[in-house]
Amino acid sequence: QQPVQSPQAVILREGEDAVINCSSSKALYSVHWYRQKHGEAPVFLMILLKGGEQKGHEKISASFNEKKQQSSLYLTASQLSYSGTYFCGTSSGGYQKVTFGIGTKLQVIP
Amino acid sequence: DVKVTQSSRYLVKRTGEKVFLECVQDMDHENMFWYRQDPGLGLRLIYFSYDVKMKEKGDIPEGYSVSREKKERFSLILESASTNQTSMYLCASRGTGKTYEQYFGPGTRLTVT
Repeated sequence: QQPVQSPQAVILREGEDAVINCSSSKALYSVHWYRQKHGEAPVFLMILLKGGEQKGHEKISASFNEKKQQSSLYLTASQLSYSGTYFCGTSSGGYQKVTFGIGTKLQVIP
Repeated sequence: DVKVTQSSRYLVKRTGEKVFLECVQDMDHENMFWYRQDPGLGLRLIYFSYDVKMKEKGDIPEGYSVSREKKERFSLILESASTNQTSMYLCASRGTGKTYEQYFGPGTRLTVT
């Protein structure tokens, strides 16, 4: 079952902050975040693992609430280059199968 | 530089045709994936492979099959293409162990008429 992302779309002005949420009905082992710019392939941003390990992007942070099966991606002081569609992916065990949400379209305007 | 390539960026096929989508990675990755991407539905996993000749069904395998005869190549096969298989198809690869990042190819936009 796909994780649920919210909001589905958001428009920001440069310098503003945004939070994208991801929730699952299943117990999660890991949450993966990707960004896809228009016409390009998705690019890895970050992974959060059960137990607190986190690997990812230097300018973007995220949290993972294991009990609630939720993750949030925090984009601070947004730049025009942050525009794109953000996907969260979840895995309930192991690393192979990641199920992605429908995405959150983020647009940063001057 | 890490690279996943797909055989075509755009493909137009007729209903009932057999369609092959090819994906090649040059990173010696064990794991390879096929997704389709549709507006409002996000990225959905069709099949994945964790080793040569090994495959597992993803979330939407119906109407598709796959082949992995060599480590670097993963093929998606539409045995008899239908209009509801018109979509963007993305291939990805990933290493083993604690290497989590999936590297995606540029995608193939398939239109079935």
